[in-house]
Amino acid sequence: AQSVAQPEDQVNVAEGNPLTVKCTYSVSGNPYLFWYVQYPNRGLQFLLKYITGDNLVKGSYGFEAEFNKSQTSFHLKKPSALVSDSALYFCAVSDRNQGGKLIFGQGTELSVKP
Amino acid sequence: GAVVSQHPSWVICKSGTSVKIECRSLDFQATTMFWYRQFPKQSLMLMATSNEGSKATYEQGVEKDKFLINHASLTLSTLTVTSAHPEDSSFYICSAPGPSYEEQYFGPGTRLTVT
Repeated sequence: AQSVAQPEDQVNVAEGNPLTVKCTYSVSGNPYLFWYVQYPNRGLQFLLKYITGDNLVKGSYGFEAEFNKSQTSFHLKKPSALVSDSALYFCAVSDRNQGGKLIFGQGTELSVKP
Repeated sequence: GAVVSQHPSWVICKSGTSVKIECRSLDFQATTMFWYRQFPKQSLMLMATSNEGSKATYEQGVEKDKFLINHASLTLSTLTVTSAHPEDSSFYICSAPGPSYEEQYFGPGTRLTVT
């Protein structure tokens, strides 16, 4: 069965510092991996995805993620955090054999302090 | 890009009543849609897969008689919470996949409060 784990419930970063939000996955076959962000009482916003190709994926708002097959990880990174990046972040894996339904990690709350 | 809407965005209902939530794909057709439930600051839990022209597929532990799903057309799926109870209060989010299933397009969510 497909699964995704986000080991950190919360990540605290000072503004201007680099940030990393961790994600590991367990899938059969080649994964489709995603990162989404959610602001309070809002739906999900797509940040980036890995389907195939280059292991370093660049996405919206300066975020990037590195697909590491040997470590089964897909960590989200940003070189310089902004206070406005504070939100709830979700890693997800897609089950291509079931119409693309997403399995989400537990979520990580990112707090960026000025 | 593709847009998915949900209506209403916010609803309050009394215990024992039913409430219907609509999910529409505005500029593309979706033979499949997904319904998720989210508690505050928690992850999205997949409730069911809505299939146009056939019965919905429910995830384990989800009561299909309580959460009725109807995929009425290629652009509309509805979730009806029947005989609502306060514990049904939650944030409900729908999504629809793009043509290649490489993307999911999410609705803005519906906040249900049962009093």
